[in-house]
Amino acid sequence: EVQLVESGGGLVKPGGSLRLSCAASGFTFSSYSMNWVRQAPGKGLEWVSSISSSSYKDYADSVKGRFTISRDNAKNSLYLQMNSLRAEDTAVYYCARDLSSFYLPEYWGQGTLVTVSS
Amino acid sequence: QPVLTQSPSASASLGASVKLTCTLSSGHSGYVIAWHQQQPEKGPRYLMKLNSDGSHSRGDGIPDRFSGSSSGAERYLTISSLQSEDEADYYCQTWGTGIRVFGGGTKLTVL
Repeated sequence: EVQLVESGGGLVKPGGSLRLSCAASGFTFSSYSMNWVRQAPGKGLEWVSSISSSSYKDYADSVKGRFTISRDNAKNSLYLQMNSLRAEDTAVYYCARDLSSFYLPEYWGQGTLVTVSS
Repeated sequence: QPVLTQSPSASASLGASVKLTCTLSSGHSGYVIAWHQQQPEKGPRYLMKLNSDGSHSRGDGIPDRFSGSSSGAERYLTISSLQSEDEADYYCQTWGTGIRVFGGGTKLTVL
């Protein structure tokens, strides 16, 4: 059974940093591209960043230069380092695994809440 | 880059069928999309991959009450025999060069 479990969310002040983690199990982690998708309170889904199986990285314009996605295949883990956080980064952050050979999230985690507030 | 447009809301009666629409922007009518469901206070769940020819493949455990179809730039999600637990937000999603794109979502109310 595919499982994705996010952690690391919390309350942080504007300008601060936070590192999210996603622990993956039930599949060969190194073979799949992975994503971070967020959802601000009462809003829709917003793609944040993706990393391919060969560690090629993409970012939404809204986070480019501030967020860094990475993966550790030995630990079956995905990460999102978030720096220079802003109030508008407040959201539930979901980890998602792509469908094989397609840039379409097939499995989702339960999410972790990040609140940026003074 | 593709843009996906969805109606903000839809409603249908318990036991009936409903067809939700996702429209691809001009020049992107050949794109493959996914449909995702998000029930209240839950994370998203992948429903299916939908090709431009209307062929589709459902995710693990998704009942065949959920089906997809396509016409030109339109991608459809049809839910038959509506149940109360189908009341949810439904998102379509695709990708472009270096980006992933979500539609704004459709909130489905089951009457």
